[in-house]
Amino acid sequence: DAGVTQTPRHEVAEKGQTIILKCEPVSGHNDLFWYRQTKIQGLELLSYFRSKSLMEDGGAFKDRFKAEMLNSSFSTLKIQPTEPKDSAVYLCASSPDSSQNTLYFGAGTRLSVL
Amino acid sequence: SQLAEENSWALSVHEGESVTVNCSYKTSITALQWYRQKSGKGPAQLILIRSNEREKRNGRLRATLDTSSQSSSLSITATRCEDTAVYFCATDAISGSWQLIFGSGTQLTVMP
Repeated sequence: DAGVTQTPRHEVAEKGQTIILKCEPVSGHNDLFWYRQTKIQGLELLSYFRSKSLMEDGGAFKDRFKAEMLNSSFSTLKIQPTEPKDSAVYLCASSPDSSQNTLYFGAGTRLSVL
Repeated sequence: SQLAEENSWALSVHEGESVTVNCSYKTSITALQWYRQKSGKGPAQLILIRSNEREKRNGRLRATLDTSSQSSSLSITATRCEDTAVYFCATDAISGSWQLIFGSGTQLTVMP
């Protein structure tokens, strides 16, 4: 079975650029999550979709971060404009449904903003 | 402050030894999960233990849950170099909710 696929694995951006990260969840999973991971803050939830509907839009991350789920098998996370403090690993995870609460993570995209 | 937190930043053991990672949490929960993250990979679930369970095993892994002290432990026996990873505990932010809150993780290093 294919797991969660994230592309690209690495991204380097100049300050002020727009970047788009991509995620393909496990086939048949209804829930999709975007997390940001840094050494200092750990894992922070950015967005949560249930059956393609946005359930959580990230609170403090709303300003420059926008996640979309155009269909059940593909999601994007846009950061616009990027800032050096956005340098982190961005993880996508999917779950069969919210009652199971088990997350299957992708390998992540490491973003460096210069 | 973290709703779930591992009690050690880092641990190191030699291959073959046993090790325990501890976690404390601050809310009533439906379940607690342990995840492992190897370098360059995303976290992977190891064990999910529900609030009405006291112990759960998965091969060389054993998780315990004490809801009275709001704590959990993950023990690994006969450690191997490939157990080197960051170990996280995670709980539902509000009992029964969908959102998982992760601790900051414990780096375990298993030396040859």
